[in-house]
Amino acid sequence: QVQLVQSGAEVKKPGASVKVSCKASGYTFSTDGVTWARQAPGQGLEWMGWISAYNGNAHSAQNLQGRVTLTADTSTNTAYMELRSLTSDDTAVYYCARKGTQLAPDYWGQGTLVTVSS
Amino acid sequence: DIQVTQSPSSLSASVGDRVTITCRASQGIGNYLAWYQQKPGKVPNLLIYAASTLQSGVPSRFSGSGSGTDFTLTISSLQPEDVATYYCQKYDGVPLTFGGGTKVEMK
Repeated sequence: QVQLVQSGAEVKKPGASVKVSCKASGYTFSTDGVTWARQAPGQGLEWMGWISAYNGNAHSAQNLQGRVTLTADTSTNTAYMELRSLTSDDTAVYYCARKGTQLAPDYWGQGTLVTVSS
Repeated sequence: DIQVTQSPSSLSASVGDRVTITCRASQGIGNYLAWYQQKPGKVPNLLIYAASTLQSGVPSRFSGSGSGTDFTLTISSLQPEDVATYYCQKYDGVPLTFGGGTKVEMK
């Protein structure tokens, strides 16, 4: 069965970086993409970006461009999201999800809580 | 970028009521719209994709309609387990924008 398993919770200081992993199983990782979203406490879902595991093409949300890097390692079936220059506004649960070409994101990871606090 | 506006932001209904949530895109997106249910502290769960196709395992009281710019999620007979926040998301291309969410509560 399709599963996406994310790395554990992180606590970071303002100005630091965080890298969240998303390990996929149960499908052919290299033929699909992975999309990332986050949810601040009590807030709605915010789309962050998408990467094709097939060719590495990535797109990120305009408000995060320059701070976020998406990568995908087909040798380990793992996608990564790195966010730099963290502020308290980046405190959120971060999610990855599988997204096939012209398909809706369907299977989601369990979420990773990133807390930014001095 | 295409904006996605969801309404209402919250609603309260009784068991058995018909509930309707709307999502409007600022430009046409064909039928590239999905609906998710998120219960408190849980991961979003895909209910409907391609605007009207029910994801496997989702109860038939959920249905979706629309194309282009206007879309609707309907719960035909609200059940206690449907208390959740519902989100629409466009996926015709990047950005894959979410609607602001609709919190459904029981009256």
